[in-house]
Amino acid sequence: DARVTQTPRHKVTEMGQEVTMRCQPILGHNTVFWYRQTMMQGLELLAYFRNRAPLDDSGMPKDRFSAEMPDATLATLKIQPSEPRDSAVYFCASGLSGTLWELFFGEGSRLTVL
Amino acid sequence: AQSVTQPDIHITVSEGASLELRCNYSYGATPYLFWYVQSPGQGLQLLLKYFSGDTLVQGIKGFEAEFKRSQSSFNLRKPSVHWSDAAEYFCAVGTDGNEKLTFGTGTRLTIIP
Repeated sequence: DARVTQTPRHKVTEMGQEVTMRCQPILGHNTVFWYRQTMMQGLELLAYFRNRAPLDDSGMPKDRFSAEMPDATLATLKIQPSEPRDSAVYFCASGLSGTLWELFFGEGSRLTVL
Repeated sequence: AQSVTQPDIHITVSEGASLELRCNYSYGATPYLFWYVQSPGQGLQLLLKYFSGDTLVQGIKGFEAEFKRSQSSFNLRKPSVHWSDAAEYFCAVGTDGNEKLTFGTGTRLTIIP
């Protein structure tokens, strides 16, 4: 059963620490999205990639967030330094260009920054 | 730019009763419309989608939605809900030339016995 895998599922860290979240998209999917979900803002698109190239990261705070796809099977989202306002659930979703918007979401990484 | 409004933050329905969740969109041309469901602790799952053609679309888990251009709406319906339908439901819109989905704020559905 193909699915998007995210790690870690839960992360508690202290302010100022570096946080790295990882995502393994569904094999064969060439588009990867990073979303952040909070009670106040709902689902926000942070960045997305196609064929490993970043297409849009306008939703991401540039000074502390970075997203990469080192290879087709791994996407990373890094926060350095982390702040309490970064506490949220971060979702990765993958899809196929040509069937866009039909996204497959991972179970999310719940981040708590103290 | 497109936008999506889900007017109901929280809805409570008795098990076995019918359900309708509201979604209104704003976009100048024909949008592509979606409903996603998020069960507790899970990611979002696609329920159904509308691209064109028949305005009544069927999805998984017995859900359907109807596109009404005159009302800019894409309401989700189910004739008889089950306790397992308790979840958060998101309406979303996509548009030509834009690969990004715009999500509504979600409607939390509670099912009571």
